[in-house]
Amino acid sequence: QTVVTQEPSFSVSPGGTVTLTCGLSSGSVSTSYYPSWYQQTPGQAPRTLIYSTNTRSSGVPDRFSGSILGNKAALTITGAQADDESDYYCVLYMGSGIPWVFGGGTKLTVL
Amino acid sequence: QVQLQESGPGLVKPSQTLSLTCTVSGGSISSGDYYWSWIRQPPGKGLEWIGYIYYSGSTYYNPSLKSRVTISVDTSKNQFSLKLSSVTAADTAVYYCARVDVVPYYFDYWGQGTLVTVSS
Repeated sequence: QTVVTQEPSFSVSPGGTVTLTCGLSSGSVSTSYYPSWYQQTPGQAPRTLIYSTNTRSSGVPDRFSGSILGNKAALTITGAQADDESDYYCVLYMGSGIPWVFGGGTKLTVL
Repeated sequence: QVQLQESGPGLVKPSQTLSLTCTVSGGSISSGDYYWSWIRQPPGKGLEWIGYIYYSGSTYYNPSLKSRVTISVDTSKNQFSLKLSSVTAADTAVYYCARVDVVPYYFDYWGQGTLVTVSS
């Protein structure tokens, strides 16, 4: 069974830049997986940040960007702010079997 | 602005059936551009896709839950529903409904989520 991998945790200083990644237990992530990214704060529903690798959802600041880096999808936050402290989930579209597989999430700390 | 709202019992007994409804406002569930999906999140854990339904009634379920899941749609009420049978404590989770943009295959709108606890 395909596993989508994410860093369990990451830390960034206020104003700093951080890149979170999203990989596959077997194989490389490409745009064909339509990677999307979601931000979730405690007690809240996920908020859509990025879809189709690098398209920002409506209202998402441009300091959030998506890309493919090497064999993984990546979410980069430039100029991190305190309210960016959240869990971040990537989702890959597999097409068959389980169409959407979530990564385990990355807990981002801003300090 | 599209909004989704889950509703249903917050407590279900083991072996019984969990039933939730998602009411969609601000958009038609009969649009062919979207799937309507259920996702869950056990306390303190990650997200798991459960299944989706298309306005026509066609469905697709997570194979790990397929034997226990039924998703249905009521276009006249702009609602879709989830039934999960033979529940155990492992099914305790926050259940989210979400709209899926058919292409490029992402969850664009989410409900606020509802916690369902399985306990006697």
